[in-house]
Parts: sequence; structure tokens; C-alpha cells
Amino acid sequence: EDQVTQSPEALRLQEGESSSLNCSYTVSGLRGLFWYRQDPGKGPEFLFTLYSAGEEKEKERLKATLTKKESFLHITAPKPEDSATYLCAVQADSGYSTLTFGKGTMLLVSP
Amino acid sequence: SQTIHQWPATLVQPVGSPLSLECTVEGTSNPNLYWYRQAAGRGLQLLFYSVGIGQISSEVPQNLSASRPQDRQFILSSKKLLLSDSGFYLCAWSEGGVGNEQFFGPGTRLTVL
Repeated sequence: EDQVTQSPEALRLQEGESSSLNCSYTVSGLRGLFWYRQDPGKGPEFLFTLYSAGEEKEKERLKATLTKKESFLHITAPKPEDSATYLCAVQADSGYSTLTFGKGTMLLVSP
Repeated sequence: SQTIHQWPATLVQPVGSPLSLECTVEGTSNPNLYWYRQAAGRGLQLLFYSVGIGQISSEVPQNLSASRPQDRQFILSSKKLLLSDSGFYLCAWSEGGVGNEQFFGPGTRLTVL
């Protein structure tokens, strides 16, 4: 059974204080790993897809990296508007398979 | 560009009443469609997915059902709501085929009293 564990559950940062969120996964074979951002009361917003170990993707202050067992979402010099819950999901490489989501990391950036 | 709509945005229903939530997608053809429920502290739970009209796969046993009467329309229903059906319901779509990233709608907040 595919599993995704995100840590920490919650993270509080000061504006400008860089940090990383972790997503550990167990999957028989990885087709893709996905990062989403979710604001309170809204649907998740797609950020990145990573397909193979060593791959990196960047968007503004966010950079996602992937190894064979985990992914990191690095946040450089965060701003208050980066406050949100960040979700990680994996898709197994076995015919048609659905996404398995982690419970998310709630990030709060204080000014 | 593609757009996904859900309605209603919020809903308060008594226990035992029926439910119908609707989701439509614009700007794409033959998408894969998904219904999720998100409860506090439990993450996103996949309820149903569909790879084509009339084709529904259920992920968990429950008193909910789904239908796909048209290519870009997905409906979540219940004949009799339970208290445990309360939650945030999300519809999502992905490109047809084996699927890749999913794109989510704005969600429906359902409260069963």
C-alpha cells in the first residue's frame, strides 16, 4: 500500500526565515510526486510534479527536490503570503493508479 | 484554458436528507474526474473516480454514490445523509489516460446536522 508522510505537521516561520518541508513516501514504483498548496476553505492549487530522483523544480520562493525515498519543499525567504497548507501526493507506476496524499504541513509566516 | 466548477459552495442539510453535488469542467475533453472528501486531520480521501461517461470506480464503501452523465460532468449523491458525511468535498480533473497531475475545484463545505 502506498504511503505518504509529511513533516512537520505545522511550521511557524518569521518572514525571511528559510526552511524545508519533508514528504517521505513508500510506493512500489513511482510515476510522479506532486506538491500542492491549499489556502483555508479553498481547493488545492497544483505547484510541481517530480518524476525521478535528482529532479528539481522551482517557482518563485519555492524549490522542490526528489530522492528515492523523500521529497523536500524548500522555501527561501518566505513572505506572509506563503502561509498555507502544503500537500504532497504520489502516484504509483502500475497501470491506472490514483494519487495518495499526505496530511499536509500547515505553514504560517509571520511578518 | 481549463476551468473546473463546483456548486453549491456551502450546504447545510439535516440527517436523512438527500444530497446532490455537481462538478463541471470546461476547456478539455475526456478528462478523468475525481471526488475527494477532506476532513480535519485526515487529509484528502479519494471517494470516486471516472475515466469516462458512465464509468465509476469507488474507493471506499459508504452511503455516497457518483455518476457521470456527460463527458465533463460529475455528480456526487446520497439518498440519506449521515452526520459522518460532513466535510469539505472536492472535485478534481486530470488529462485522460493514465493520468498525471490533478487540478482541483473550489470545493463544497457540507454540514450535516
